Amino acid sequence: AQSVAQPEDQVNVAEGNPLTVKCTYSVSGNPYLFWYVQYPNRGLQFLLKYITGDNLVKGSYGFEAEFNKSQTSFHLKKPSALVSDSALYFCAVRDRIGSGNTGKLIFGQGTTLQVKP
Amino acid sequence: EAQVTQNPRYLITVTGKKLTVTCSQNMNHEYMSWYRQDPGLGLRQIYYSMNVEVTDKGDVPEGYKVSRKEKRNFPLILESPSPNQTSLYFCASSLNQRLENSPLHFGNGTRLTVT
Repeated sequence: AQSVAQPEDQVNVAEGNPLTVKCTYSVSGNPYLFWYVQYPNRGLQFLLKYITGDNLVKGSYGFEAEFNKSQTSFHLKKPSALVSDSALYFCAVRDRIGSGNTGKLIFGQGTTLQVKP
Repeated sequence: EAQVTQNPRYLITVTGKKLTVTCSQNMNHEYMSWYRQDPGLGLRQIYYSMNVEVTDKGDVPEGYKVSRKEKRNFPLILESPSPNQTSLYFCASSLNQRLENSPLHFGNGTRLTVT
């Protein structure tokens, strides 16, 4: 079964410093990986995805993610954090189609990012 | 603006009183799905629909029903709500083509409390 793990419940970083939110995955075959952000009282917003190609994927709001096949990781990064980046971040893998799979997103537990001024 | 719209945003009800949470998308997406979000459990899929008149169970379908009579709408029905259905609910949609690498677009959520 496919799964995603986010080992940190919370990440604290000072504004202006680089940030990393960690994600590891377990899939059979090629992974289709996503990052989403959830602001308070809002739905999940798509940030970026990895399908194939370059290991460094660029997304919305200055975020990027680095795919590492040997370490089965897909860490979210930003060179300079903003206070407004404070939110709940989810890593996810899309379930495979066919053989009874549902096309659902399989989410990690989420990591709260706190950026302090 | 491309969006997924859920209503209501907040709902407080009593055990056993039937309710419907509506979901509508304006992106002509074939695939739609419902999730519930609970602390410590993350997001779990309730039901999904690959296209009109095609629906199927997700991971936690008990106590829920859905219908997909037209492409844009995918209501979630709780025939007899119970307190364990108190949760934050999200509707989502995506293209069906190349489903595996299509991002899901989420609504803003419905916070349901069943007393």
